[in-house]
Amino acid sequence: AQSVTQLGSHVSVSEGALVLLRCNYSSSVPPYLFWYVQYPNQGLQLLLKYTSAATLVKGINDFEAEFKKSETSFHLTKPSAHMSDAAEYFCAVQNSGGGADGLTFGKGTHLIIQP
Amino acid sequence: NAGVMQNPRHLVRRRGQEARLRCSPMKGHSHVYWYRQLPEEGLKSMVYLQKENIIDESGMPKERFSAEFPKEGPSILRIQQVVRGDSAAYFCASSPRQDRTEAFFGQGTRLTVV
Repeated sequence: AQSVTQLGSHVSVSEGALVLLRCNYSSSVPPYLFWYVQYPNQGLQLLLKYTSAATLVKGINDFEAEFKKSETSFHLTKPSAHMSDAAEYFCAVQNSGGGADGLTFGKGTHLIIQP
Repeated sequence: NAGVMQNPRHLVRRRGQEARLRCSPMKGHSHVYWYRQLPEEGLKSMVYLQKENIIDESGMPKERFSAEFPKEGPSILRIQQVVRGDSAAYFCASSPRQDRTEAFFGQGTRLTVV
């Protein structure tokens, strides 16, 4: 079984400040890990994914995430927040067996950017 | 290259009616995945289909829910005799291969049951 926990349903940062969104996972086998962003009334867009290559993964819009096996974490960061980053962010895990295995999503973190 | 198209974007149904949600995958994609997003929850996988085949429906309620992906036309998620608890956003994603990591998502259909 696999699960995802996102700490903090809402995170508020000032424009220009560091963004840190936390994600911890559990998985019985080496996982694939993902971050998705959902803008209001939109579908999900893939920000970045970890599939057992480099542990530091860079995604779109200057986001990056680091896979830490010892901490079972995959936190999302961005050095400098922009107003356009305001959205819902979802962490997801998939067993590396892939295929028909479903993605398991966290409950999401709503990122608020203060001007 | 059009993305994954879902319609309608918003759907209101009275309790007991049927809801039909449509998903046209991206061109060249033969794998479709349906997800449900309840308020304050993450997405939950419902069903995975290939053309004319249901591959995995373990996430779909056994009663009232059904899905199809015919040889021609869009994939359809049907909910019969809707109840208030069915109110949610339903997302469809498609991929060219049997790999959810390559899937693109549609904008979703927001179902409201009154």
